[in-house]
Amino acid sequence: KAGVTQTPRYLIKTRGQQVTLSCSPISGHRSVSWYQQTPGQGLQFLFEYFSETQRNKGNFPGRFSGRQFSNSRSEMNVSTLELGDSALYLCASRTGAANTGELFFGEGSRLTVL
Amino acid sequence: AQSVTQPDIHITVSEGASLELRCNYSYGATPYLFWYVQSPGQGLQLLLKYFSGDTLVQGIKGFEAEFKRSQSSFNLRKPSVHWSDAAEYFCAVGVIGNMLTFGGGTRLMVKP
Repeated sequence: KAGVTQTPRYLIKTRGQQVTLSCSPISGHRSVSWYQQTPGQGLQFLFEYFSETQRNKGNFPGRFSGRQFSNSRSEMNVSTLELGDSALYLCASRTGAANTGELFFGEGSRLTVL
Repeated sequence: AQSVTQPDIHITVSEGASLELRCNYSYGATPYLFWYVQSPGQGLQLLLKYFSGDTLVQGIKGFEAEFKRSQSSFNLRKPSVHWSDAAEYFCAVGVIGNMLTFGGGTRLMVKP
């Protein structure tokens, strides 16, 4: 069974631009979560989607948004990029049924904002 | 809200030596507990998890962890470390219907 796939793996943007990251979960998984990882703040939860609905949301500004499609694939978007948005963005999926919290992570999308 | 503390930011051990990584959590009830490992440039891989039952749980790669309710701890152990264990380790707490909260991580270095 294929794992969680994230694209692109690396990207460079400049301040003020916007970016869209994509995540394909493990087949059969209906929940997709997004985390931001930085050296200073560690792993911080962005949001979780389940069956195309946002189920949980972390404490990030409205510039960070996401969505989930009917095939469970998810995208997250960051608008008006700031230097501090440079980070590894990790996507994780789980079955979502029992919601016991076990997550399967992708390798991440490393965003650099110049 | 739950929180997780990993007191050791860096740990260095010699290859073949034993390892213990500390994790303390704060939560009103018994949460679900996890240990993940992250190699450079990679995502996180689940090592082991505790949901209920036996407080000593076995994981992959020879790791184990013990849940101690009285100490609110879930320390990760390995009897003999291999050079390939060098990575960053994250403890995480989860509750039903909610997201995981991660500790700050412990970076493990292994000396030959």
